[in-house]
Amino acid sequence: NAGVTQTPKFQVLKTGQSMTLQCAQDMNHEYMSWYRQDPGMGLRLIHYSVGAGITDQGEVPNGYNVSRSTTEDFPLRLLSAAPSQTSVYFCASSYSWGAPEAFFGQGTRLTVV
Amino acid sequence: GENVEQHPSTLSVQEGDSAVIKCTYSDSASNYFPWYKQELGKRPQLIIDIRSNVGEKKDQRIAVTLNKTAKHFSLHITETQPEDSAVYFCAARNDYKLSFGAGTTVTVRA
Repeated sequence: NAGVTQTPKFQVLKTGQSMTLQCAQDMNHEYMSWYRQDPGMGLRLIHYSVGAGITDQGEVPNGYNVSRSTTEDFPLRLLSAAPSQTSVYFCASSYSWGAPEAFFGQGTRLTVV
Repeated sequence: GENVEQHPSTLSVQEGDSAVIKCTYSDSASNYFPWYKQELGKRPQLIIDIRSNVGEKKDQRIAVTLNKTAKHFSLHITETQPEDSAVYFCAARNDYKLSFGAGTTVTVRA
């Protein structure tokens, strides 16, 4: 039982490049979400999903895309990286949308230069 | 959307003393209030939560209180220990979305 697996742990991108952050959970959780964490600002919700095939925007969705083709996987795509997207990203999951995010991935530290 | 404010931003306490962190929220429809602890370089860890139909919840040295009328909730840590040093985040859930406070850095002095 691996919990929430998030990769990569570190990434450096050039402005304009695209990439995908991977997130997978093996607990059959319905609800998955992506957050970014910036100094002094707590965690901010980017996108979330309440089940396979269903996604919606959070507080700061611009510049990011997601998909949920399976219950297990919830990748986050940066379409054209910008320096403002330099942040630490966390994927999280819970067994349903009514429960808090109890399981977080290890985080991805992304730097856009 | 929901707006969660958290105070203080930093808190230094003597080992064995109590620590209190306070949060306010803006949307009366929010109904779930978790608290997270994050150690340096680590992922957030859920430590306690409370639902809107409960006024208080306790788990060993940690307790949360909720005042729905005033729209504020608090985390209380008693008999603080060095391992309690971390950043603590409050959050409020409205519909499908969780909104976080900015965090409180707690330092426990030996």
